[in-house]
Amino acid sequence: QKEVEQNSGPLSVPEGAIASLNCTYSDRVSQSFFWYRQYSGKSPELIMSIYSNGDKEDGRFTAQLNKASQYVSLLIRDSQPSDSATYLCAVNTPNYGQNFVFGPGTRLSVLP
Amino acid sequence: EAGVVQSPRYKIIEKKQPVAFWCNPISGHNTLYWYLQNLGQGPELLIRYENEEAVDDSQLPKDRFSAERLKGVDSTLKIQPAELGDSAVYLCASSLGENTGELFFGEGSRLTVL
Repeated sequence: QKEVEQNSGPLSVPEGAIASLNCTYSDRVSQSFFWYRQYSGKSPELIMSIYSNGDKEDGRFTAQLNKASQYVSLLIRDSQPSDSATYLCAVNTPNYGQNFVFGPGTRLSVLP
Repeated sequence: EAGVVQSPRYKIIEKKQPVAFWCNPISGHNTLYWYLQNLGQGPELLIRYENEEAVDDSQLPKDRFSAERLKGVDSTLKIQPAELGDSAVYLCASSLGENTGELFFGEGSRLTVL
């Protein structure tokens, strides 16, 4: 079992719809969770971080964390074509020396 | 303020040749990471520095890879000799310190080994 798992996609949604991206992790004692966006040919950039169970909203983005289920998700409301990118889930996990372990990423395509 | 700077952006070499990548992190960032990213996959950690100390190099293939951060600022990652399977993007990232959350990535160095 990989430490951080994501559906590779591609996930296609129409413009204006809600995109839902999911991530599961294996280390139960993980403490910090992050979503990075990576455009094709570019480097990852942080869009959301979440540390406590529940929801965290920032503009059109909402991160959801459920530590009991070892599950973190990212919702993008009113999806725009400019949101088309690969979304990487990253987990900071003590069992890996406090390193950031990245999932394989989910490729999102927002269709005009 | 300048971001994380990496060079070269692109490098094409023949197998068995050496190659080196350079990274200058954001000023004041004590933690520096080297990641490897293959196409369609997430970044995989190679080595993490806290200041000049390599605190985690467990994933660095030490038979051919080496890294240094002599003065706790910029860093160099070297591969000698390169193999075909080393073709990837090598990403450098920095953060303020351990457990501070956000990683800031450089643009990456894309290596092609022929």
